[in-house]
Amino acid sequence: ETGVTQSPTHLIKTRGQQVTLRCSSQSGHNTVSWYQQALGQGPQFIFQYYREEENGRGNFPPRFSGLQFPNYSSELNVNALELDDSALYLCASSRDKSSYEQYFGPGTRLTVT
Amino acid sequence: DQQVKQNSPSLSVQEGRISILNCDYTNSMFDYFLWYKKYPAEGPTFLISISSIKDKNEDGRFTVFLNKSAKHLSLHIVPSQPGDSAVYFCAASPNRDDKIIFGKGTRLHILP
Repeated sequence: ETGVTQSPTHLIKTRGQQVTLRCSSQSGHNTVSWYQQALGQGPQFIFQYYREEENGRGNFPPRFSGLQFPNYSSELNVNALELDDSALYLCASSRDKSSYEQYFGPGTRLTVT
Repeated sequence: DQQVKQNSPSLSVQEGRISILNCDYTNSMFDYFLWYKKYPAEGPTFLISISSIKDKNEDGRFTVFLNKSAKHLSLHIVPSQPGDSAVYFCAASPNRDDKIIFGKGTRLHILP
């Protein structure tokens, strides 16, 4: 069984740029959640996708957007990057939207300069 | 407003002794509680959970206790082993279809 993978591992962007982060969910999982983890903080929920539809969103502005594809992989897009967007971005997959047990990928470390 | 609080940023415990990690929450609507463990350069891994209808759940060396009246839960690890050194996140959710809210984490050091 393949685990959750994320790409890239690290990324450096300039303020104002746009970034796309990618996630491949674990085999058999149809739900993907994205989290932002700032330094010294716990993961903060950005949004969740279930069967290609957004299924809940946290307190993040619209410049954070996402997609889920038919194979249940997912993308997180962030426009107009700000310095405070520097964080570890975690993707987690689960068997379905009602499953509490989420399987996390290793994350993408984004640095905005 | 932090709904899930882990007030101890770090904890050091001797190998073989009991580790107790604490977590407080403010939202009485939380229905399900989880603990995750995170090693450096890896994503969090699910450890153990408890439903609000229970006050204890045990899985091997790990036991979670829930005190709803005090809005407090704790994770007990006994005996503590070197591989338990990690950051532990407490998390909670109001229902199965809602988001999971994480605490800031507690870094556990197991001393030889």
